[in-house]
Amino acid sequence: GAGVSQSPRYKVTKRGQDVALRCDPISGHVSLYWYRQALGQGPEFLTYFNYEAQQDKSGLPNDRFSAERPEGSISTLTIQRTEQRDSAMYRCASSGRDRVYNEQFFGPGTRLTVL
Amino acid sequence: DAKTTQPNSMESNEEEPVHLPCNHSTISGTDYIHWYRQLPSQGPEYVIHGLTSNVNNRMASLAIAEDRKSSTLILHRATLRDAAVYYCILRGRDDKIIFGKGTRLHILP
Repeated sequence: GAGVSQSPRYKVTKRGQDVALRCDPISGHVSLYWYRQALGQGPEFLTYFNYEAQQDKSGLPNDRFSAERPEGSISTLTIQRTEQRDSAMYRCASSGRDRVYNEQFFGPGTRLTVL
Repeated sequence: DAKTTQPNSMESNEEEPVHLPCNHSTISGTDYIHWYRQLPSQGPEYVIHGLTSNVNNRMASLAIAEDRKSSTLILHRATLRDAAVYYCILRGRDDKIIFGKGTRLHILP
């Protein structure tokens, strides 16, 4: 079956603009995770959902970042008033019912560049 | 979140075994040890996980110390395609994964 998909794959925006990044998890996966990855660094946890409920948003850098998963499937990560420091690869992952012990499957990522 | 310590980088020759160490001295009794790897220009992928006993799968083996304060990921016969950053992670009841800096594995042909 299809893996995790993300769109757009690349996004270039001007500072101050809002962007919305989309993640479509593997069908039936309960949990969905968002990460940010700077070049040469490991992925940095942002937030995650079980079904439609946001369980932990402790990794969101500030209140310009928000995420939703209204129907427990597709999720959107929104960054308002983008800044150059927001430039990074944004990765989404999903996992099945046994959330702690099951593997996370990662999408291809969205490369965000803020000019 | 419990912390792990890994060497920044390692080298190995192709077709030889590779032992990637990880220290996790503050591990709690309910923490699972997970390993992920990230190939160049790709997202992380799951490799293996375990709790107390050694584990084997088609990709690798995981050897866990008796006191669980360290573990070793074993690639039995490294290929050039195994060149990647390998992350050792502790996962407790909280679902999230906290990635460290990992070990960058270089494979020499």
